[in-house]
Amino acid sequence: DAGVTQSPTHLIKTRGQQVTLRCSPKSGHDTVSWYQQALGQGPQFIFQYYEEEERQRGNFPDRFSGHQFPNYSSELNVNALLLGDSALYLCASSLAGLATNEKLFFGSGTQLSVL
Amino acid sequence: QKEVEQDPGPLSVPEGAIVSLNCTYSNSAFQYFMWYRQYSRKGPELLMYTYSSGNKEDGRFTAQVDKSSKYISLFIRDSQPSDSATYLCAMSLSPSGNTPLVFGKGTRLSVIA
Repeated sequence: DAGVTQSPTHLIKTRGQQVTLRCSPKSGHDTVSWYQQALGQGPQFIFQYYEEEERQRGNFPDRFSGHQFPNYSSELNVNALLLGDSALYLCASSLAGLATNEKLFFGSGTQLSVL
Repeated sequence: QKEVEQDPGPLSVPEGAIVSLNCTYSNSAFQYFMWYRQYSRKGPELLMYTYSSGNKEDGRFTAQVDKSSKYISLFIRDSQPSDSATYLCAMSLSPSGNTPLVFGKGTRLSVIA
Protein backbone atom coordinates (compact mmCIF):
# COMPACT_ATOMS: atom_id res chain seq x y z
CA ASP A 1 0.00 0.00 0.00
CA ALA A 2 1.68 3.18 -1.19
CA GLY A 3 1.74 6.03 1.24
CA VAL A 4 1.56 9.69 0.31
CA THR A 5 3.68 10.35 -2.75
CA GLN A 6 4.92 13.75 -3.87
CA SER A 7 6.65 14.90 -7.01
CA PRO A 8 9.11 16.18 -7.84
CA THR A 9 11.43 15.60 -4.87
CA HIS A 10 13.56 18.63 -5.67
CA LEU A 11 12.99 21.72 -7.75
CA ILE A 12 15.02 24.83 -8.52
CA LYS A 13 13.30 27.96 -9.82
CA THR A 14 14.16 31.64 -10.21
CA ARG A 15 12.34 34.60 -8.73
CA GLY A 16 9.15 35.51 -10.54
CA GLN A 17 8.58 32.06 -12.00
CA GLN A 18 5.64 29.79 -11.31
CA VAL A 19 5.78 26.27 -9.90
CA THR A 20 3.41 23.29 -9.60
CA LEU A 21 3.88 20.56 -7.01
CA ARG A 22 1.96 17.30 -7.04
CA CYS A 23 0.63 14.94 -4.39
CA SER A 24 -1.07 11.54 -4.46
CA PRO A 25 -2.78 10.72 -1.18
CA LYS A 26 -2.56 7.42 0.66
CA SER A 27 -4.93 4.83 -0.76
CA GLY A 28 -8.43 5.35 0.62
CA HIS A 29 -7.82 8.94 1.73
CA ASP A 30 -9.93 11.75 0.33
CA THR A 31 -8.55 14.88 2.02
CA VAL A 32 -5.26 16.56 1.18
CA SER A 33 -3.54 19.27 3.21
CA TRP A 34 -0.45 21.23 2.21
CA TYR A 35 2.19 22.54 4.61
CA GLN A 36 5.25 24.73 4.08
CA GLN A 37 8.36 24.00 6.17
CA ALA A 38 11.09 26.63 5.97
CA LEU A 39 14.60 25.68 7.06
CA GLY A 40 14.78 25.36 10.85
CA GLN A 41 11.03 25.87 11.27
CA GLY A 42 8.04 23.64 11.85
CA PRO A 43 5.52 23.01 9.08
CA GLN A 44 2.93 25.76 8.51
CA PHE A 45 -0.53 24.99 7.20
CA ILE A 46 -1.22 26.39 3.73
CA PHE A 47 -4.63 24.95 2.79
CA GLN A 48 -6.74 21.84 2.65
CA TYR A 49 -8.77 20.25 -0.15
CA TYR A 50 -11.76 17.97 0.17
CA GLU A 51 -14.32 17.10 -2.52
CA GLU A 52 -12.28 19.15 -5.00
CA GLU A 53 -12.76 22.37 -3.04
CA GLU A 54 -10.52 24.41 -0.78
CA ARG A 55 -12.03 23.94 2.66
CA GLN A 56 -9.60 25.72 4.94
CA ARG A 57 -6.73 28.11 4.40
CA GLY A 58 -3.85 29.29 6.52
CA ASN A 59 -2.19 32.68 6.46
CA PHE A 60 -0.72 32.51 2.96
CA PRO A 61 -1.14 35.00 0.09
CA ASP A 62 -3.22 34.38 -3.00
CA ARG A 63 -0.03 33.52 -4.92
CA PHE A 64 -0.53 30.09 -3.36
CA SER A 65 -3.35 28.17 -4.97
CA GLY A 66 -4.32 24.57 -5.34
CA HIS A 67 -6.50 22.01 -6.96
CA GLN A 68 -7.87 18.60 -6.16
CA PHE A 69 -8.80 16.11 -8.86
CA PRO A 70 -11.60 13.53 -8.85
CA ASN A 71 -9.07 10.80 -7.93
CA TYR A 72 -8.21 12.88 -4.79
CA SER A 73 -4.73 13.79 -5.98
CA SER A 74 -3.79 17.43 -5.55
CA GLU A 75 -1.59 20.18 -6.92
CA LEU A 76 -0.07 23.18 -5.20
CA ASN A 77 0.70 26.16 -7.43
CA VAL A 78 2.82 29.12 -6.44
CA ASN A 79 2.99 32.18 -8.71
CA ALA A 80 5.52 35.01 -8.79
CA LEU A 81 8.03 33.10 -6.70
CA LEU A 82 9.97 34.95 -4.01
CA LEU A 83 13.24 33.96 -2.38
CA GLY A 84 11.27 33.40 0.83
CA ASP A 85 9.22 30.67 -0.84
CA SER A 86 12.24 28.38 -0.63
CA ALA A 87 11.12 25.56 1.65
CA LEU A 88 10.11 21.93 1.96
CA TYR A 89 6.50 21.58 0.83
CA LEU A 90 4.70 18.75 2.56
CA CYS A 91 1.49 17.07 1.53
CA ALA A 92 -0.58 15.23 4.13
CA SER A 93 -3.59 13.05 3.50
CA SER A 94 -6.43 11.90 5.72
CA LEU A 95 -9.92 10.49 5.56
CA ALA A 96 -12.72 12.93 6.28
CA GLY A 97 -15.48 12.18 8.73
CA LEU A 98 -14.45 10.04 11.65
CA ALA A 99 -10.72 10.47 11.06
CA THR A 100 -8.58 11.86 13.83
CA ASN A 101 -5.26 13.61 13.48
CA GLU A 102 -3.54 10.36 14.34
CA LYS A 103 -4.59 9.19 10.89
CA LEU A 104 -2.84 12.08 9.12
CA PHE A 105 -0.01 10.82 6.91
CA PHE A 106 2.72 13.02 5.48
CA GLY A 107 4.66 12.59 2.27
CA SER A 108 8.42 13.14 2.06
CA GLY A 109 7.94 16.56 0.56
CA THR A 110 9.20 18.60 -2.37
CA GLN A 111 12.28 20.72 -1.67
CA LEU A 112 11.83 24.00 -3.56
CA SER A 113 14.78 26.34 -3.98
CA VAL A 114 14.16 29.81 -5.40
CA LEU A 115 17.26 31.60 -6.71
CA GLN B 1 4.50 35.50 20.85
CA LYS B 2 4.18 32.39 18.70
CA GLU B 3 1.29 30.03 19.45
CA VAL B 4 3.67 27.13 20.06
CA GLU B 5 7.19 27.55 21.42
CA GLN B 6 9.82 24.83 21.19
CA ASP B 7 13.53 25.07 21.91
CA PRO B 8 15.27 24.20 18.61
CA GLY B 9 18.37 22.80 20.33
CA PRO B 10 20.47 21.13 19.09
CA LEU B 11 20.45 18.58 21.87
CA SER B 12 23.22 15.99 22.07
CA VAL B 13 23.06 13.04 24.50
CA PRO B 14 24.97 9.76 24.98
CA GLU B 15 23.34 6.49 24.04
CA GLY B 16 21.13 5.16 26.84
CA ALA B 17 20.31 8.59 28.26
CA ILE B 18 16.80 9.79 29.07
CA VAL B 19 15.79 12.63 26.76
CA SER B 20 13.27 15.31 27.68
CA LEU B 21 11.71 17.46 24.95
CA ASN B 22 9.26 20.25 25.72
CA CYS B 23 6.82 22.69 24.18
CA THR B 24 4.73 25.50 25.59
CA TYR B 25 1.66 27.00 23.98
CA SER B 26 -0.43 30.11 24.42
CA ASN B 27 -3.84 29.07 23.02
CA SER B 28 -5.84 27.34 25.74
CA ALA B 29 -8.29 26.12 23.07
CA PHE B 30 -5.83 23.50 21.86
CA GLN B 31 -7.26 20.11 22.73
CA TYR B 32 -5.18 17.58 20.85
CA PHE B 33 -1.44 17.16 21.21
CA MET B 34 1.01 15.23 19.08
CA TRP B 35 4.71 14.51 18.76
CA TYR B 36 6.23 13.87 15.36
CA ARG B 37 9.68 12.62 14.43
CA GLN B 38 11.28 13.91 11.25
CA TYR B 39 14.42 12.48 9.73
CA SER B 40 16.48 14.62 7.37
CA ARG B 41 14.78 15.18 4.01
CA LYS B 42 11.71 13.19 5.08
CA GLY B 43 8.17 14.02 6.10
CA PRO B 44 7.10 13.99 9.76
CA GLU B 45 5.90 10.69 11.19
CA LEU B 46 3.56 10.50 14.15
CA LEU B 47 5.06 9.18 17.40
CA MET B 48 2.49 9.96 20.05
CA TYR B 49 -0.88 11.68 20.36
CA THR B 50 -3.01 12.56 23.33
CA TYR B 51 -5.98 14.75 24.14
CA SER B 52 -6.03 14.89 27.91
CA SER B 53 -3.79 16.04 30.69
CA GLY B 54 -1.59 13.33 32.14
CA ASN B 55 0.84 10.75 30.82
CA LYS B 56 0.66 8.35 27.91
CA GLU B 57 3.29 5.68 27.45
CA ASP B 58 4.26 3.72 24.33
CA GLY B 59 7.38 1.61 24.61
CA ARG B 60 10.35 3.88 25.27
CA PHE B 61 8.26 7.02 24.71
CA THR B 62 6.11 8.90 27.23
CA ALA B 63 4.02 11.92 26.32
CA GLN B 64 2.96 14.25 29.10
CA VAL B 65 0.40 17.06 28.91
CA ASP B 66 -0.25 19.73 31.52
CA LYS B 67 -3.11 21.87 30.23
CA SER B 68 -3.14 24.10 33.31
CA SER B 69 0.44 25.15 32.57
CA LYS B 70 0.06 24.92 28.76
CA TYR B 71 3.09 22.66 28.68
CA ILE B 72 3.72 19.34 26.96
CA SER B 73 6.69 17.00 27.10
CA LEU B 74 8.06 13.93 25.37
CA PHE B 75 10.41 11.61 27.24
CA ILE B 76 12.58 9.06 25.46
CA ARG B 77 14.08 6.33 27.64
CA ASP B 78 17.19 4.33 26.74
CA SER B 79 17.87 6.61 23.77
CA GLN B 80 19.44 5.02 20.69
CA PRO B 81 21.48 6.48 17.82
CA SER B 82 18.48 5.70 15.59
CA ASP B 83 16.49 8.23 17.65
CA SER B 84 18.65 11.01 16.17
CA ALA B 85 16.16 13.22 14.32
CA THR B 86 14.16 16.41 14.69
CA TYR B 87 11.20 16.15 17.06
CA LEU B 88 8.20 18.36 16.39
CA CYS B 89 5.35 19.03 18.76
CA ALA B 90 2.00 19.75 17.13
CA MET B 91 -1.41 20.81 18.39
CA SER B 92 -4.91 21.23 17.05
CA LEU B 93 -8.23 22.64 18.18
CA SER B 94 -10.00 19.31 17.71
CA PRO B 95 -9.11 15.69 16.98
CA SER B 96 -10.78 15.85 13.59
CA GLY B 97 -8.44 14.83 10.82
CA ASN B 98 -9.50 17.95 8.95
CA THR B 99 -8.33 20.34 11.65
CA PRO B 100 -5.03 22.03 10.74
CA LEU B 101 -2.05 21.29 12.93
CA VAL B 102 0.04 24.02 14.54
CA PHE B 103 3.66 22.93 14.91
CA GLY B 104 6.56 24.02 17.05
CA LYS B 105 9.93 24.74 15.41
CA GLY B 106 11.25 21.29 16.25
CA THR B 107 14.16 20.17 18.44
CA ARG B 108 17.13 18.56 16.73
CA LEU B 109 18.35 15.57 18.75
CA SER B 110 21.61 13.66 18.32
CA VAL B 111 22.20 10.45 20.26
CA ILE B 112 25.90 9.61 20.34
CA ALA B 113 26.98 5.95 20.45
